[in-house]
Amino acid sequence: EVQLVESGGGLVKPGGSLRLSCAASGFTFSTYSMNWVRQAPGKGLEWVSSISSSGTYIYYADSVKGRFTISRDTAKSSLYLQMNSLRADDTAVYYCARDVFGSYGFDYWGQGTLVTVSS
Amino acid sequence: QSALTQPRSVSGSPGQSVTISCTGTSSDVGGYNYVSWYQQHPGKAPKLMIYDVSKRPSGVPDRFSGSKSGNTASLTISGLQAEDEADYYCCSYAGSYTFAVFGGGTKLTVL
Repeated sequence: EVQLVESGGGLVKPGGSLRLSCAASGFTFSTYSMNWVRQAPGKGLEWVSSISSSGTYIYYADSVKGRFTISRDTAKSSLYLQMNSLRADDTAVYYCARDVFGSYGFDYWGQGTLVTVSS
Repeated sequence: QSALTQPRSVSGSPGQSVTISCTGTSSDVGGYNYVSWYQQHPGKAPKLMIYDVSKRPSGVPDRFSGSKSGNTASLTISGLQAEDEADYYCCSYAGSYTFAVFGGGTKLTVL
């Protein structure tokens, strides 16, 4: 059974940093591209970042470019999101999501971790 | 990175059919056959319902179908059931710079 479990969310002050983790199991992690998608309270979904299966190709939404860094560790079957210079509008539930194999789309999602940026 | 345009809400009675539209541009919806649709119940993670415009993942009922014409994609739900009441989001691949863009979401109410 595919499982994605996020952790690392919490309350942080504006300008602060946080590192999210996503532990993957039930599939061959090294063969799938992975993503972070966020949802602000009461709002819609927003794609944040993607990383290819090898880690070679990385993409960011304009809203986080230069502040967030996505990475992965195949040995640990884990995905990460380092978030720096956090702002109030980064407040959201952050989901880890697996790519549809060989296509674009997100076929499995974690339960999400809440990041709150507030003084 | 402008969001794709979806109606804010749609509704239908049990057994009826509803269609949710998702309008983009030639740089996203119209340029690629990589439109996906997600169902989200309150407090839950999104669930993939359709990918590659019209493909259904295993386990998704065939009451759910997808299509695309030009810059507009559509999700049709036939034989509406109470458990279909949820928020629905479309998403499109948008090239190697923008990568992915979501619609604003549509709230489906089953009357």
